Amino acid sequence: GAVVSQHPSWVICKSGTSVKIECRSLDFQATTMFWYRQFPKQSLMLMATSNEGSKATYEQGVEKDKFLINHASLTLSTLTVTSAHPEDSSFYICSARDVQGHEKLFFGSGTQLSVL
Amino acid sequence: QKEVEQDPGPLSVPEGAIVSLNCTYSNSAFQYFMWYRQYSRKGPELLMYTYSSGNKEDGRFTAQVDKSSKYISLFIRDSQPSDSATYLCATVNEKLTFGTGTRLTIIP
Repeated sequence: GAVVSQHPSWVICKSGTSVKIECRSLDFQATTMFWYRQFPKQSLMLMATSNEGSKATYEQGVEKDKFLINHASLTLSTLTVTSAHPEDSSFYICSARDVQGHEKLFFGSGTQLSVL
Repeated sequence: QKEVEQDPGPLSVPEGAIVSLNCTYSNSAFQYFMWYRQYSRKGPELLMYTYSSGNKEDGRFTAQVDKSSKYISLFIRDSQPSDSATYLCATVNEKLTFGTGTRLTIIP
């Protein structure tokens, strides 16, 4: 199947700093990428939909100024958690859909963020 | 009412048993149905993908969709300890909607 690379796989940072997470589609072009967060023993919660070359669409309750999303190319989307706080500690996962419009989504391996 | 309902478990079965995982959904507009497997601290992995009502088989896995009752199932035959994971059902309309996931443990 298609490969989505997510980096880093884990990060520890101090409160107040910003953290950038990268999501790359390695063998296909992705017009749309999705960012999820997942708390322990819970399902994935969609944070935002990222479309190449346009502004991201955020789900209700997700602060767009705190979770900055950039989808500058068909193979790369980034999520920046700005001024991170301990409550932002979570597992963040990206997924990508290819340009052919297939309904299948392929997921990155996730990033565990711990804010001290 | 949640769009996709899934029993969170946990579910424990002995090795070799047949596992049945189920979800219900509320929106008849959903057309695509998927099952993902997620190991701890990993991203979900697509297991099965179906479009219409009926069965789809892939090795030990069978996905079943009944659109008339809005019911989707995943069966695992000859279950192995390596099948221990969280299984998420998902449907697609404008966006992907997940069930809460079922934690499955296969006991050797």
